[in-house]
Amino acid sequence: DVKVTQSSRYLVKRTGEKVFLECVQDMDHENMFWYRQDPGLGLRLIYFSYDVKMKEKGDIPEGYSVSREKKERFSLILESASTNQTSMYLCASTGGQGTNYGYTFGSGTRLTVV
Amino acid sequence: SQKIEQNSEALNIQEGKTATLTCNYTNYSPAYLQWYRQDPGRGPVFLLLIRENEKEKRKERLKVTFDTTLKQSLFHITASQPADSATYLCALDTSNTGKLIFGQGTTLQVKP
Repeated sequence: DVKVTQSSRYLVKRTGEKVFLECVQDMDHENMFWYRQDPGLGLRLIYFSYDVKMKEKGDIPEGYSVSREKKERFSLILESASTNQTSMYLCASTGGQGTNYGYTFGSGTRLTVV
Repeated sequence: SQKIEQNSEALNIQEGKTATLTCNYTNYSPAYLQWYRQDPGRGPVFLLLIRENEKEKRKERLKVTFDTTLKQSLFHITASQPADSATYLCALDTSNTGKLIFGQGTTLQVKP
């Protein structure tokens, strides 16, 4: 069964900490995405990547960075965690640009910054 | 600005009836539109995709329509079951590059 795996389901971090959220997919997909989901705001795109070592800003990249050193792994980094980054973080992947395939999402990481 | 609207109020229907969810969008010319299901605390699950040149698409008890003139998609679940209770999200690719923008979702509750 193909899947996207996020390393943690729940995470609690302190303000100012550097936080790494890991995402691995086993489908050999080129495209990977990081979203955050908040009540009343829906899913918002943070960063995405079309290939290894490539990254593009989404709609809300401030306070985040990403790393894609290998095709199957896409990491989201919170440089200095703040309470307004408390959220559900969702990683997704899909094959090819402009593809008519849907996204495959991970189960999500619920991050709380205290 | 770009906008996707789904009914924010929950939709409550009786088991066996057809559920119809609406997705409206403005200021887009999407190449295709997708629908997802999301259960509480889980990631969305892809259900259906419809292209701009398709009027209707079906998959088992699901049917999606896409009216690019009205800028609207309708998502139907026929013979609904309590197990269909979830939040349903529509999503658009506005530039045919595989980058999706999501609506906020409509929560469906099917009562036995």
